[in-house]
Amino acid sequence: DAGVIQSPRHEVTEMGQEVTLRCKPISGHNSLFWYRQTMMRGLELLIYFNNNVPIDDSGMPEDRFSAKMPNASFSTLKIQPSEPRDSAVYFCASSRMTSGGYNEQFFGPGTRLTVL
Amino acid sequence: DAKTTQPTSMDCAEGRAANLPCNHSTISGNEYVYWYRQIHSQGPQYIIHGLKNNETNEMASLIITEDRKSSTLILPHATLRDTAVYYCIVSLNQAGTALIFGKGTTLSVSS
Repeated sequence: DAGVIQSPRHEVTEMGQEVTLRCKPISGHNSLFWYRQTMMRGLELLIYFNNNVPIDDSGMPEDRFSAKMPNASFSTLKIQPSEPRDSAVYFCASSRMTSGGYNEQFFGPGTRLTVL
Repeated sequence: DAKTTQPTSMDCAEGRAANLPCNHSTISGNEYVYWYRQIHSQGPQYIIHGLKNNETNEMASLIITEDRKSSTLILPHATLRDTAVYYCIVSLNQAGTALIFGKGTTLSVSS
């Protein structure tokens, strides 16, 4: 299994530009989570989906952030316009909801975003 | 906000047991204790979880006090590769549930 795939691994952009981060969850997983990690704020949950439906987006910092999951194998996190304070490592994680299952999330390698 | 309290950092000698404490005094009856760790620059990795009984797997042991207000993660024979940030998380025991990470404990294993 390839694990959770994120792209790009590194992104450097200028303030005001649109940034799109991509995630491919593990095949068969039906929950997907987006996290952001900074030194100051640690690891924060931004939004998560169950069966492609957004369940909780209360962690999304502003309207500049949006996330979609058009199908079970793909999700995007978009920032428009980007600002320097959005610089962080963004992680995607997935898990499989099954009867008797437990809360093990599998994390991708992350996307390191730098906004100049 | 995270419902757990952990020491900021701990040191351990290679080959010795590492005992990482966690306080979760407000844990609810249907919530479990989960442990994840994050090795530098990688995504977090699940270690173990439990409700009230002690648990053991190939990675670690989890000891939960009888009143469930605290727990200890034990790495029986720490290696240099166990150097990481360890997160203690209180969560419902089902996939598709949010994990709220605190600051965690930075464990440094040295030779």
